[in-house]
Amino acid sequence: KQEVTQIPAALSVPEGENLVLNCSFTDSAIYNLQWFRQDPGKGLTSLLLIQSSQREQTSGRLNASLDKSSGRSTLYIAASQPGDSATYLCAVKSSKLSFGAGTTVTVRA
Amino acid sequence: EAQVTQNPRYLITVTGKKLTVTCSQNMNHEYMSWYRQDPGLGLRQIYYSMNVEVTDKGDVPEGYKVSRKEKRNFPLILESPSPNQTSLYFCASSLLDRVLSGANVLTFGAGSRLTVL
Repeated sequence: KQEVTQIPAALSVPEGENLVLNCSFTDSAIYNLQWFRQDPGKGLTSLLLIQSSQREQTSGRLNASLDKSSGRSTLYIAASQPGDSATYLCAVKSSKLSFGAGTTVTVRA
Repeated sequence: EAQVTQNPRYLITVTGKKLTVTCSQNMNHEYMSWYRQDPGLGLRQIYYSMNVEVTDKGDVPEGYKVSRKEKRNFPLILESPSPNQTSLYFCASSLLDRVLSGANVLTFGAGSRLTVL
């Protein structure tokens, strides 16, 4: 059974600092890994999708890396802003889609 | 606007009182799914449907029912709610070929927060 872990559960940083969010998974036989953003009262928004054959994906200030053999992914958010405050979820697609519990990020102005 | 709409968004009810959470999508998606989200746990799949009249259990189906009589609607039914079903519920949808190919292009609803006293 695929287990997805996100550490830390919560993170608070001052504006401008770079964010590093971690995701680990137990079964390396995956199709892809996806990072989502969750805002209170809103649904999940997909940020980045990394296929199993890829090492990283970039979108603006966001960069996600994937090391399938070690079962790890990292989401980097450069020069954080208060608007980046949200919960970030990692989801791994193997035989099904398995979600981590998320990291709640607060960016202080 | 392409979207998944859930209702109600917030509900407080009592043990044993049947309730239905509706989910509707306007994107002609074949695949629809219900998840619940609890503190410290990831989203867990309750039920999913690959098309009209085709439904299957997810990881945590106990205490829930679903139906898929129309393509656009996928209601979640709690026949006799209990306090352990207090949770945040999400409905999601996608084109079936995207799901089968491994592309996780799910569109999520805004969530329904349910409290069972």
